[in-house]
Amino acid sequence: DAGVIQSPRHEVTEMGQEVTLRCKPISGHNSLFWYRQTMMRGLELLIYFNNNVPIDDSGMPEDRFSAKMPNASFSTLKIQPSEPRDSAVYFCASSFNGGREQYFGPGTRLTVT
Amino acid sequence: DQQVKQNSPSLSVQEGRISILNCDYTNSMFDYFLWYKKYPAEGPTFLISISSIKDKNEDGRFTVFLNKSAKHLSLHIVPSQPGDSAVYFCAASGNQFYFGTGTSLTVIP
Repeated sequence: DAGVIQSPRHEVTEMGQEVTLRCKPISGHNSLFWYRQTMMRGLELLIYFNNNVPIDDSGMPEDRFSAKMPNASFSTLKIQPSEPRDSAVYFCASSFNGGREQYFGPGTRLTVT
Repeated sequence: DQQVKQNSPSLSVQEGRISILNCDYTNSMFDYFLWYKKYPAEGPTFLISISSIKDKNEDGRFTVFLNKSAKHLSLHIVPSQPGDSAVYFCAASGNQFYFGTGTSLTVIP
């Protein structure tokens, strides 16, 4: 059984470039969450979708961040333009009907130089 | 403003002894609490949870205790094993979902 799939696993980019992170949730799960992990703040919820609709994006730090879920099996988190302070590990997680036990992907480690 | 706090960034315990990881929260509206375990280069995995209507939940070597009046929960692992070495995240949910900053547990053989 495939878990949550994220790509790429590592991304190194220069300041000002656009970055797109991708996520495929577990089949059958209809809730999807994007998190950012930093040493200072731990895991922060950025946005979550239910049935492909964004429900709460209050955690999105700035207008430079945007997320989409065009269908039940794919979501993207885009940062444009990227800045060095965006460097972090970004996790995607999914659950069934907003269930509180979420299943996490392996994360994307983003480094912005 | 951290609504869920794990004040100990790290903890070392001898194999076979008890590990106690602590977590404090600020919002009395949280009604469900979870612990996740994270190994390096992997995503967090769900470990154990507790509803706010309970004060204890046990699953094998893992027990979570909830003290609502103190807004405090703890995870007990007994006996601790080297494979338990990981980062443990506490999480709380109500209308939103909040994670703590994690505690890195090292179990010394």
